[in-house]
Amino acid sequence: EVQLVESGGGLVQPGGSLRLSCAASGFIFSNYWMNWVRQAPGKGLEWVANIKPDVSEIEYADSVKGRFTISRDNAKNSLYLQMNSLRGDDTGVYYCARSYTSRALFEYWGHGTLVTVSS
Amino acid sequence: DIVMTQSPDSLAVSLGERATINCKSSQSVLYSSNNKNYLAWYQQRPGQPPKLLIYWASTRESGVPDRFSGSGSGTDFTLTITSLRAEDVAIYFCQQYYRIPYTFGQGTRLEIK
Repeated sequence: EVQLVESGGGLVQPGGSLRLSCAASGFIFSNYWMNWVRQAPGKGLEWVANIKPDVSEIEYADSVKGRFTISRDNAKNSLYLQMNSLRGDDTGVYYCARSYTSRALFEYWGHGTLVTVSS
Repeated sequence: DIVMTQSPDSLAVSLGERATINCKSSQSVLYSSNNKNYLAWYQQRPGQPPKLLIYWASTRESGVPDRFSGSGSGTDFTLTITSLRAEDVAIYFCQQYYRIPYTFGQGTRLEIK
């Protein structure tokens, strides 16, 4: 069974940092593009970043470029998102999602982890 | 950025009836090299993550009931749900995966009348 389990969310002050993790199982992780997508409370969906299976390509949304870093460890079947200089508008549920057919077609999603940026 | 605009924002449909949701992109998402529309539809039930329903504008994801269908090309797309069931209550999002940043519509909330 395919599973994506996010962790690492929590309450952080503006300007602070947080590292999210996504543990994958039930599929060959190293074959898939992986993405982070977020959803502000009661709002829509915003793609954040993605990373190619061999890490040779990485893409970011302009809203997080220079502050967030996506990475992966194929040996550990894990995806990460290092978030620095956090702002209030970074608050939301962060989902990891896998892609295969196309790099940003989100075929399977985890249940997400909540990040709250507030003083 | 490609702006995705859905209509309506919400709709209420009776059980067993048809629901139609529209999505318009500010630029074409049809890639001429392979004649594919880079347009997907997702369903998000309350308290759940989104679930992929339709990709390439009209290809149903494995396991998705054939009550769900997608159509359209270029900039105008439609998700149709026939024989509405209570379990279809959700928010539906369209998304373009043609060009970075990969953008979503604002969502359409579907309720039972």
